[in-house]
Amino acid sequence: QKEVEQDPGPLSVPEGAIVSLNCTYSNSAFQYFMWYRQYSRKGPELLMYTYSSGNKEDGRFTAQVDKSSKYISLFIRDSQPSDSATYLCAMSLISNFGNEKLTFGTGTRLTIIP
Amino acid sequence: NAGVTQTPKFQVLKTGQSMTLQCAQDMNHEYMSWYRQDPGMGLRLIHYSVGAGITDQGEVPNGYNVSRSTTEDFPLRLLSAAPSQTSVYFCASSYTTGSYEQYFGPGTRLTVT
Repeated sequence: QKEVEQDPGPLSVPEGAIVSLNCTYSNSAFQYFMWYRQYSRKGPELLMYTYSSGNKEDGRFTAQVDKSSKYISLFIRDSQPSDSATYLCAMSLISNFGNEKLTFGTGTRLTIIP
Repeated sequence: NAGVTQTPKFQVLKTGQSMTLQCAQDMNHEYMSWYRQDPGMGLRLIHYSVGAGITDQGEVPNGYNVSRSTTEDFPLRLLSAAPSQTSVYFCASSYTTGSYEQYFGPGTRLTVT
């Protein structure tokens, strides 16, 4: 079983819809939770991050972490064609050696239809 | 700042050939890493470095070598290319190991025939 599971999609929604992207994980020690966005033929770039549980909002984007269920989500409101990309979740933890390496999900490919 | 740069953008190799993928960053980041990205597998860590002169293996290191002689550069060497190494390779850097914000380069698309 992978440490981080993410539905690969593809996911197609009409412009203006609310999009929900999700990841589950098995390692309860993860403390930092990130969402990266990757446009076609580009490198990933950080979209949002949260530390521990709770919600974080940034414009049309909301990141949600439920540590009790080991489940994280990214919501996109009023989706735009420019949101069409692959979204990767990522997680890391702090051990006795300091920050550990990131563990990535496989990514969900999202297309917003005009 | 140029950020993280990678060369070449595309490369085709024959089985058994060797080559070096170049990666450089101008942000004075201590941590640099190499990932490969394959369909259905996501980003997998090949090698990483926590500073000049210090490297370590990631999840899928076999067939690859790295060295870090300067803070800026972190080349990835394919010793004897195999078709299984056909992939998109990304170099990334960050202030610290496991930092939530990794800065990725544009990638190198490698095909091994």
